[in-house]
Amino acid sequence: NAGVMQNPRHLVRRRGQEARLRCSPMKGHSHVYWYRQLPEEGLKFMVYLQKENIIDESGMPKERFSAEFPKEGPSILRIQQVVRGDSAAYFCASSPMLGNQPQHFGDGTRLSIL
Amino acid sequence: GIQVEQSPPDLILQEGANSTLRCNFSDSVNNLQWFHQNPWGQLINLFYIPSGTKQNGRLSATTVATERYSLLYISSSQTTDSGVYFCAVGSANAGGTSYGKLTFGQGTILTVHP
Repeated sequence: NAGVMQNPRHLVRRRGQEARLRCSPMKGHSHVYWYRQLPEEGLKFMVYLQKENIIDESGMPKERFSAEFPKEGPSILRIQQVVRGDSAAYFCASSPMLGNQPQHFGDGTRLSIL
Repeated sequence: GIQVEQSPPDLILQEGANSTLRCNFSDSVNNLQWFHQNPWGQLINLFYIPSGTKQNGRLSATTVATERYSLLYISSSQTTDSGVYFCAVGSANAGGTSYGKLTFGQGTILTVHP
């Protein structure tokens, strides 16, 4: 019974490149959440998605960041034209339904920008 | 939005000691989770406890929802307990699309010396 799978575990990009982070939720989970942990800080909510729908993107930076959760395949967090300040750990979580359910977290992707 | 405060911010213990970590929150919750972030950065889900008391080995947790706080107890601490402990809550009064997201506290950094 696989947990939430994130890949890659570590990603290195140069400034100006694109970063693409993937998240496969637990089997049977249709709700996906992305969180970001900047160095020496706690975790902050970024976006909440269901299949083919963005439900809440109130925590997403207004530019360069986008997320999707297609009908088939993993959820993708995409960062275009990365800058040094994007260096962080990005965590994905999933739950089977909305509300009154625990969120299960993946091991995260550590993004480093050179 | 809902506010989450954890105390103490730092805690240093000798192996074998007991400790209590506290999480205060500013509104009614429909989700409360305790996590341990280990030195490798992984988030380990300890408890899903929006109310009541649970125990798992040397760890136990209590949430008093009416008074808006939760406590995490660690007994007979071990060096492997070191890391950062996060409390995260989901607001029961979040409107519409914000219903699912978790708000994290800033964490308690626990160091257990042999």
